[in-house]
Amino acid sequence: TQLLEQSPQFLSIQEGENLTVYCNSSSVFSSLQWYRQEPGEGPVLLVTVVTGGEVKKLKRLTFQFGDARKDSSLHITAAQPGDTGLYLCAGDNNAGNMLTFGGGTRLMVKP
Amino acid sequence: NAGVMQNPRHLVRRRGQEARLRCSPVKGHSHVYWYRQLPEEGLKFMVYLQKENIIDESGMPKERFSAEFPKEGPSILRIQQVVRGDSAAYFCASSPMGGMNTEAFFGQGTRLTVV
Repeated sequence: TQLLEQSPQFLSIQEGENLTVYCNSSSVFSSLQWYRQEPGEGPVLLVTVVTGGEVKKLKRLTFQFGDARKDSSLHITAAQPGDTGLYLCAGDNNAGNMLTFGGGTRLMVKP
Repeated sequence: NAGVMQNPRHLVRRRGQEARLRCSPVKGHSHVYWYRQLPEEGLKFMVYLQKENIIDESGMPKERFSAEFPKEGPSILRIQQVVRGDSAAYFCASSPMGGMNTEAFFGQGTRLTVV
């Protein structure tokens, strides 16, 4: 069974601070996705990383896929209250049939 | 996630009743995935369907749960004789082709409460 562990589980910071969320596994994934989910809504895809060592930027968000394709990180620069939400990483199971989700990191950015 | 329509958004059922959750994928998408999310947790895979076929149901409980994606109409997740532990948010996602490393879109979910 492929497992993804996210850390931290909860993070409360002040507006303007930087933060990093981690997603780790002992398994290799063919691709890894990051989602953001707001209360009462479904997850919204932020990015997909495919190549080991890949770095993708989305405005103030930087996503990195580990060289061995077992882990990933999400770094947010100068966090804003609008970044508040549940951040989920999810790995493709190589067979392409499903995503394995991490437990999520709940981020709160206070103004 | 625009385009994937799930209904109802909220569903309350008494123990022992049946729950039917519907998912209309993005137009043109023929692959549908169902996930369950408990409060404060990530999503757990349940089943992957392609039109008229179940491709992977490894995450589906063996009893009381069933899913279908008919040639015409929405995908249905059916839970018979619901119990309190079935209370959760159920999300559907669709993609244009197989493999979740292609972009998949999630619906807003159905929140099932069993009383």
